[in-house]
Amino acid sequence: DTEVTQTPKHLVMGMTNKKSLKCEQHMGHRAMYWYKQKAKKPPELMFVYSYEKLSINESVPSRFSPECPNSSLLNLHLHALQPEDSALYLCASSQNSGGTDTQYFGPGTRLTVL
Amino acid sequence: GEDVEQSLFLSVREGDSSVINCTYTDSSSTYLYWYKQEPGAGLQLLTYIFSNMDMKQDQRLTVLLNKKDKHLSLRIADTQTGDSAIYFCAETDRGQNFVFGPGTRLSVLP
Repeated sequence: DTEVTQTPKHLVMGMTNKKSLKCEQHMGHRAMYWYKQKAKKPPELMFVYSYEKLSINESVPSRFSPECPNSSLLNLHLHALQPEDSALYLCASSQNSGGTDTQYFGPGTRLTVL
Repeated sequence: GEDVEQSLFLSVREGDSSVINCTYTDSSSTYLYWYKQEPGAGLQLLTYIFSNMDMKQDQRLTVLLNKKDKHLSLRIADTQTGDSAIYFCAETDRGQNFVFGPGTRLSVLP
């Protein structure tokens, strides 16, 4: 099973809302990632968790707050977002975070901020 | 920093072969990847190649790597309409993230 699941598939939120994106994998992977992808662009790395600890934060604004409750779950908490944050948010996982392990991606959550 | 380049568009006729090209700058790349993304969907891993290999074949897909020229290609034999998608080349840098190319939009014409 090489599946990474993400919920919800679509999310529409206002700028004052608080919402969360969820990601789950049961492959025993110890590294999990959040990417942001704007239309017609490649994914951009936001955060990396390695063994449930945040190891990379690519200068992401504090209105995005990641959380890794356990080795299978990764959340992205959203608060006070801007319309320009509308994008496809992709979760990925890999065996380890050494940079050479294949990343498996989820289907993404399409976020629209009004 | 590392850079990955791809041509942005490719059109082929159904049944023909497609060749999508990618160049990269990081000579320490260990693995190079091809991902497929259909409209509105996540990235699907198609194949990857280790940097000490020249070629890898998997059914209709053939990956060629020229490490000297830092050139990677993906050949899709007998291209079908279901192959229409964006194809991303990616390589791993020394750290923990992938470096993606801009993506090549493949259009398959009937």
